[in-house]
Amino acid sequence: EDKVVQSPLSLVVHEGDTVTLNCSYEVTNFRSLLWYKQEKKAPTFLFMLTSSGIEKKSGRLSSILDKKELFSILNITATQTGDSAVYLCAVVRTYGQNFVFGPGTRLSVLP
Amino acid sequence: DSGVTQTPKHLITATGQRVTLRCSPRSGDLSVYWYQQSLDQGLQFLIQYYNGEERAKGNILERFSAQQFPDLHSELNLSSLELGDSALYFCASSVGAQAANTGELFFGEGSRLTVL
Repeated sequence: EDKVVQSPLSLVVHEGDTVTLNCSYEVTNFRSLLWYKQEKKAPTFLFMLTSSGIEKKSGRLSSILDKKELFSILNITATQTGDSAVYLCAVVRTYGQNFVFGPGTRLSVLP
Repeated sequence: DSGVTQTPKHLITATGQRVTLRCSPRSGDLSVYWYQQSLDQGLQFLIQYYNGEERAKGNILERFSAQQFPDLHSELNLSSLELGDSALYFCASSVGAQAANTGELFFGEGSRLTVL
Protein backbone atom coordinates (compact mmCIF):
# COMPACT_ATOMS: atom_id res chain seq x y z
CA GLU A 1 0.00 0.00 0.00
CA ASP A 2 1.27 3.44 -0.91
CA LYS A 3 2.32 5.51 2.05
CA VAL A 4 3.95 8.81 2.93
CA VAL A 5 5.71 9.23 6.27
CA GLN A 6 6.72 12.54 7.79
CA SER A 7 9.05 13.24 10.68
CA PRO A 8 9.07 14.66 13.16
CA LEU A 9 5.34 14.80 13.78
CA SER A 10 5.78 17.82 15.99
CA LEU A 11 8.56 20.34 16.47
CA VAL A 12 8.95 23.38 18.73
CA VAL A 13 11.70 25.90 18.03
CA HIS A 14 12.53 29.52 18.78
CA GLU A 15 12.52 32.34 16.29
CA GLY A 16 15.71 32.43 14.28
CA ASP A 17 16.29 28.69 14.39
CA THR A 18 16.66 26.59 11.25
CA VAL A 19 14.47 23.53 10.88
CA THR A 20 14.48 20.51 8.59
CA LEU A 21 11.31 18.58 7.96
CA ASN A 22 11.47 15.10 6.49
CA CYS A 23 9.21 13.21 4.13
CA SER A 24 9.77 9.65 2.97
CA TYR A 25 7.54 7.67 0.68
CA GLU A 26 6.75 4.27 -0.72
CA VAL A 27 4.58 4.89 -3.73
CA THR A 28 4.13 3.05 -6.97
CA ASN A 29 4.25 5.06 -10.17
CA PHE A 30 5.76 8.13 -8.54
CA ARG A 31 5.26 11.34 -10.48
CA SER A 32 5.99 14.25 -8.18
CA LEU A 33 6.19 15.32 -4.55
CA LEU A 34 4.45 18.36 -3.16
CA TRP A 35 4.76 20.41 0.00
CA TYR A 36 1.82 22.31 1.47
CA LYS A 37 1.53 24.62 4.47
CA GLN A 38 -1.62 24.34 6.58
CA GLU A 39 -2.10 27.18 9.04
CA LYS A 40 -5.57 27.51 10.47
CA LYS A 41 -7.59 25.62 7.94
CA ALA A 42 -6.88 25.37 4.22
CA PRO A 43 -3.54 23.94 3.00
CA THR A 44 -1.65 26.22 0.65
CA PHE A 45 0.81 25.07 -1.99
CA LEU A 46 4.55 25.58 -1.41
CA PHE A 47 6.61 23.47 -3.81
CA MET A 48 6.37 20.77 -6.40
CA LEU A 49 9.42 18.53 -6.92
CA THR A 50 9.81 16.12 -9.79
CA SER A 51 13.56 15.74 -10.30
CA SER A 52 16.21 14.54 -7.90
CA GLY A 53 18.83 16.94 -6.61
CA ILE A 54 17.28 20.15 -7.87
CA GLU A 55 16.58 22.53 -5.03
CA LYS A 56 13.44 24.59 -5.08
CA LYS A 57 13.67 27.83 -3.15
CA SER A 58 11.20 30.46 -2.04
CA GLY A 59 12.53 33.03 0.39
CA ARG A 60 13.58 31.28 3.56
CA LEU A 61 12.06 27.98 2.46
CA SER A 62 13.81 25.42 0.31
CA SER A 63 13.19 21.82 -0.60
CA ILE A 64 14.95 19.00 -2.37
CA LEU A 65 14.00 15.53 -3.55
CA ASP A 66 16.02 12.30 -3.59
CA LYS A 67 14.25 9.81 -5.84
CA LYS A 68 16.81 7.11 -5.23
CA GLU A 69 16.40 7.13 -1.45
CA LEU A 70 12.71 8.09 -1.73
CA PHE A 71 12.64 11.15 0.48
CA SER A 72 12.41 14.89 0.48
CA ILE A 73 13.34 17.56 2.98
CA LEU A 74 11.90 20.99 3.58
CA ASN A 75 14.24 23.51 5.16
CA ILE A 76 13.17 26.72 6.81
CA THR A 77 15.91 29.12 7.84
CA ALA A 78 15.63 32.03 10.30
CA THR A 79 12.19 30.82 11.40
CA GLN A 80 9.51 33.34 12.36
CA THR A 81 6.35 32.92 14.41
CA GLY A 82 4.41 33.14 11.16
CA ASP A 83 6.00 29.88 10.07
CA SER A 84 3.99 28.06 12.75
CA ALA A 85 1.79 25.64 10.86
CA VAL A 86 1.36 22.03 9.84
CA TYR A 87 3.54 21.17 6.86
CA LEU A 88 2.09 18.49 4.63
CA CYS A 89 3.98 16.35 2.17
CA ALA A 90 2.06 14.70 -0.66
CA VAL A 91 3.07 12.35 -3.43
CA VAL A 92 1.34 12.25 -6.78
CA ARG A 93 1.24 9.06 -8.79
CA THR A 94 1.53 8.82 -12.54
CA TYR A 95 -1.60 6.75 -12.73
CA GLY A 96 -4.61 7.77 -10.76
CA GLN A 97 -5.65 11.25 -9.96
CA ASN A 98 -5.27 11.29 -6.23
CA PHE A 99 -2.58 12.78 -4.07
CA VAL A 100 -1.26 10.67 -1.17
CA PHE A 101 -0.71 12.93 1.81
CA GLY A 102 1.49 12.33 4.82
CA PRO A 103 0.27 13.03 8.39
CA GLY A 104 2.05 16.37 8.51
CA THR A 105 4.65 17.95 10.78
CA ARG A 106 3.32 20.49 13.26
CA LEU A 107 5.86 23.28 13.62
CA SER A 108 5.55 25.75 16.46
CA VAL A 109 7.89 28.76 16.44
CA LEU A 110 8.12 30.55 19.76
CA PRO A 111 9.08 34.22 20.03
CA ASP B 1 -8.66 33.39 0.28
CA SER B 2 -8.34 30.50 -2.18
CA GLY B 3 -11.65 31.21 -3.91
CA VAL B 4 -13.05 27.81 -2.93
CA THR B 5 -16.15 28.08 -0.77
CA GLN B 6 -17.41 25.38 1.55
CA THR B 7 -20.57 25.30 3.62
CA PRO B 8 -21.35 24.75 6.38
CA LYS B 9 -18.19 25.61 8.34
CA HIS B 10 -19.29 23.60 11.34
CA LEU B 11 -21.88 20.87 11.71
CA ILE B 12 -22.89 18.86 14.75
CA THR B 13 -25.20 15.92 14.36
CA ALA B 14 -26.06 12.56 15.88
CA THR B 15 -25.13 9.03 14.88
CA GLY B 16 -27.33 7.56 12.20
CA GLN B 17 -28.10 10.92 10.62
CA ARG B 18 -27.33 12.16 7.12
CA VAL B 19 -25.61 15.41 6.16
CA THR B 20 -24.70 17.21 2.98
CA LEU B 21 -21.56 19.28 2.56
CA ARG B 22 -21.36 21.77 -0.25
CA CYS B 23 -18.43 23.12 -2.23
CA SER B 24 -18.15 25.86 -4.85
CA PRO B 25 -14.85 25.68 -6.73
CA ARG B 26 -12.80 28.66 -7.87
CA SER B 27 -14.20 30.41 -10.88
CA GLY B 28 -13.00 28.55 -13.98
CA ASP B 29 -11.91 25.40 -12.17
CA LEU B 30 -13.46 22.23 -13.54
CA SER B 31 -12.11 19.68 -11.06
CA VAL B 32 -13.35 19.22 -7.52
CA TYR B 33 -11.67 16.95 -4.98
CA TRP B 34 -12.97 15.85 -1.58
CA TYR B 35 -10.65 15.01 1.31
CA GLN B 36 -11.22 13.87 4.88
CA GLN B 37 -8.83 14.95 7.64
CA SER B 38 -9.22 13.25 11.01
CA LEU B 39 -7.46 14.36 14.18
CA ASP B 40 -4.52 12.03 13.94
CA GLN B 41 -4.44 11.34 10.24
CA GLY B 42 -3.35 13.14 7.15
CA LEU B 43 -5.57 14.18 4.32
CA GLN B 44 -7.39 11.13 2.99
CA PHE B 45 -8.54 11.41 -0.60
CA LEU B 46 -12.19 10.55 -1.07
CA ILE B 47 -13.22 11.35 -4.63
CA GLN B 48 -12.61 13.64 -7.60
CA TYR B 49 -15.01 15.05 -10.18
CA TYR B 50 -14.07 16.70 -13.43
CA ASN B 51 -16.66 18.70 -15.34
CA GLY B 52 -19.54 16.80 -13.84
CA GLU B 53 -18.13 13.29 -14.10
CA GLU B 54 -16.42 11.12 -11.54
CA ARG B 55 -12.69 11.06 -12.32
CA ALA B 56 -11.05 9.16 -9.50
CA LYS B 57 -12.10 7.40 -6.36
CA GLY B 58 -10.15 6.99 -3.16
CA ASN B 59 -11.04 5.62 0.24
CA ILE B 60 -14.65 6.67 0.14
CA LEU B 61 -17.08 4.60 2.18
CA GLU B 62 -20.22 3.21 0.61
CA ARG B 63 -22.22 5.33 3.06
CA PHE B 64 -20.73 8.42 1.39
CA SER B 65 -21.58 9.71 -2.04
CA ALA B 66 -20.83 12.82 -4.04
CA GLN B 67 -21.78 14.56 -7.23
CA GLN B 68 -20.82 17.58 -9.28
CA PHE B 69 -23.58 19.64 -10.79
CA PRO B 70 -23.73 21.46 -14.16
CA ASP B 71 -22.77 24.73 -12.47
CA LEU B 72 -19.67 22.84 -11.19
CA HIS B 73 -20.50 23.04 -7.52
CA SER B 74 -20.23 19.74 -5.69
CA GLU B 75 -21.94 18.07 -2.78
CA LEU B 76 -20.68 15.33 -0.50
CA ASN B 77 -23.41 13.29 1.16
CA LEU B 78 -22.62 11.38 4.32
CA SER B 79 -25.25 8.98 5.62
CA SER B 80 -25.73 6.60 8.55
CA LEU B 81 -23.15 8.67 10.36
CA GLU B 82 -20.88 7.08 12.92
CA LEU B 83 -18.71 8.62 15.61
CA GLY B 84 -15.64 7.88 13.52
CA ASP B 85 -16.90 10.09 10.73
CA SER B 86 -16.13 13.15 12.83
CA ALA B 87 -13.49 15.01 10.86
CA LEU B 88 -12.64 18.06 8.82
CA TYR B 89 -13.84 17.63 5.25
CA PHE B 90 -11.97 19.63 2.65
CA CYS B 91 -12.94 20.46 -0.86
CA ALA B 92 -10.23 21.46 -3.34
CA SER B 93 -10.35 22.55 -6.94
CA SER B 94 -8.04 22.80 -9.91
CA VAL B 95 -8.34 24.03 -13.46
CA GLY B 96 -7.81 20.81 -15.31
CA ALA B 97 -8.39 17.15 -14.70
CA GLN B 98 -4.84 16.71 -13.48
CA ALA B 99 -3.82 19.12 -10.78
CA ALA B 100 -0.71 17.00 -10.55
CA ASN B 101 0.69 18.88 -13.52
CA THR B 102 1.27 22.00 -11.45
CA GLY B 103 0.62 20.90 -7.89
CA GLU B 104 -1.98 23.59 -7.72
CA LEU B 105 -4.79 22.31 -5.59
CA PHE B 106 -6.77 25.16 -4.09
CA PHE B 107 -8.37 24.18 -0.82
CA GLY B 108 -11.47 25.53 0.85
CA GLU B 109 -11.58 26.29 4.55
CA GLY B 110 -13.18 22.95 5.31
CA SER B 111 -16.37 21.76 6.97
CA ARG B 112 -15.89 20.45 10.48
CA LEU B 113 -18.31 17.61 11.18
CA THR B 114 -18.88 16.40 14.71
CA VAL B 115 -20.95 13.28 15.21
CA LEU B 116 -22.27 12.77 18.75
